[in-house]
Amino acid sequence: SQKIEQNSEALNIQEGKTATLTCNYTNYSPAYLQWYRQDPGRGPVFLLLIRENEKEKRKERLKVTFDTTLKQSLFHITASQPADSATYLCALARRPLFSGGYNKLIFGAGTRLAVHP
Amino acid sequence: NAGVTQTPKFQVLKTGQSMTLQCAQDMNHEYMSWYRQDPGMGLRLIHYSVGAGITDQGEVPNGYNVSRSTTEDFPLRLLSAAPSQTSVYFCASSYSDRFTYGYTFGSGTRLTVV
Repeated sequence: SQKIEQNSEALNIQEGKTATLTCNYTNYSPAYLQWYRQDPGRGPVFLLLIRENEKEKRKERLKVTFDTTLKQSLFHITASQPADSATYLCALARRPLFSGGYNKLIFGAGTRLAVHP
Repeated sequence: NAGVTQTPKFQVLKTGQSMTLQCAQDMNHEYMSWYRQDPGMGLRLIHYSVGAGITDQGEVPNGYNVSRSTTEDFPLRLLSAAPSQTSVYFCASSYSDRFTYGYTFGSGTRLTVV
């Protein structure tokens, strides 16, 4: 079956360090991969998108890598701050199973990040 | 610009009752979806729509109906509520299914079925 796996255990790091979150997938050929941030009681907020033909994408302190051979994406937050504490979700745009169909955005369960002062 | 608006924010239903979760967006997005979020399982796609009059099933469609009569609105109907439908429901929209712009999510509806 098709799966998206993110570390279920919380990631605890010290302020100022780089946080690295992992997203692994099986049996997909995703067109795009996205990362979202979700705070408790709120809806997810879009952060970054990376296409299948891109290796790396950056936005301010955020960096995403995409390795289609390993079927893995890494999400980095450099110089982390306590305000970065949240759950981070990865999502794959799954291609339709037949011609003329539509992409679907499928999410992983997320990894909770806690940045300590 | 309100984005994606979901109502109600909280709801308690008795088993067997029906209800409609409302979702409206004011960004002229063609693509809209409903997800449910359960602990440890992430967001699971219930139904989606690629435009007015066009809907399709996601991963967990059973027990839910949708319709899309306008670009702005995409309501989710629970036909006969069951305790297994206790969850947080999110509506989301995007310009297209290319997902090059990311999804805009609503703030969610927390549903409890007793």
